[in-house]
Amino acid sequence: KNEVEQSPQNLTAQEGEFITINCSYSVGISALHWLQQHPGGGIVSLFMLSSGKKKHGRLIATINIQEKHSSLHITASHPRDSAVYICAVGGSQGNLIFGKGTKLSVKP
Amino acid sequence: DAGVIQSPRHEVTEMGQEVTLRCKPISGHNSLFWYRQTMMRGLELLIYFNNNVPIDDSGMPEDRFSAKMPNASFSTLKIQPSEPRDSAVYFCASTWEFYNSPLHFGNGTRLTVT
Repeated sequence: KNEVEQSPQNLTAQEGEFITINCSYSVGISALHWLQQHPGGGIVSLFMLSSGKKKHGRLIATINIQEKHSSLHITASHPRDSAVYICAVGGSQGNLIFGKGTKLSVKP
Repeated sequence: DAGVIQSPRHEVTEMGQEVTLRCKPISGHNSLFWYRQTMMRGLELLIYFNNNVPIDDSGMPEDRFSAKMPNASFSTLKIQPSEPRDSAVYFCASTWEFYNSPLHFGNGTRLTVT
């Protein structure tokens, strides 16, 4: 079993829909990261959180430390949100353990 | 700031050749990471440095891989000799205070070994 599990693997949505991507992990962590990788390949850090909730524009990330679960929400989705979203957890050794990613496609 | 700068963007080489990938972290960042991304395994840590010192190199696949960080503004990842299974995208990332700051990634180097 992978230490970081993301669901769904693939997600297709219509423009304007509310989107949720989930991440569950099985290890102790110091922080959880949500990353975005566009088709061109570049990786951008969206959020880093260790508790509660963070919001940036139409993106919201939440984490429940007790349940070892995090969600990334996108409100009013847009085709430019199409990308791979990667969850990564930071352990005590300074490493990041990555999920396999969720490929999101938003259709106009 | 120009962000994390990696070079080259693409590298095609023949099996057995030496390959050197380069990374310039963001000025002021004290932690630097080398990751490899493949379709099969996703993103994996190869090695990371803190204040130019290698902290964890347990992800380096084998002795053919080596990494150096001679100063705070430059790091290299070398593969010698290269093999087709080394074909992947190699990312460099940097941050300040790993536990409290987000990672900044370079654009990656796409390596193809034929």
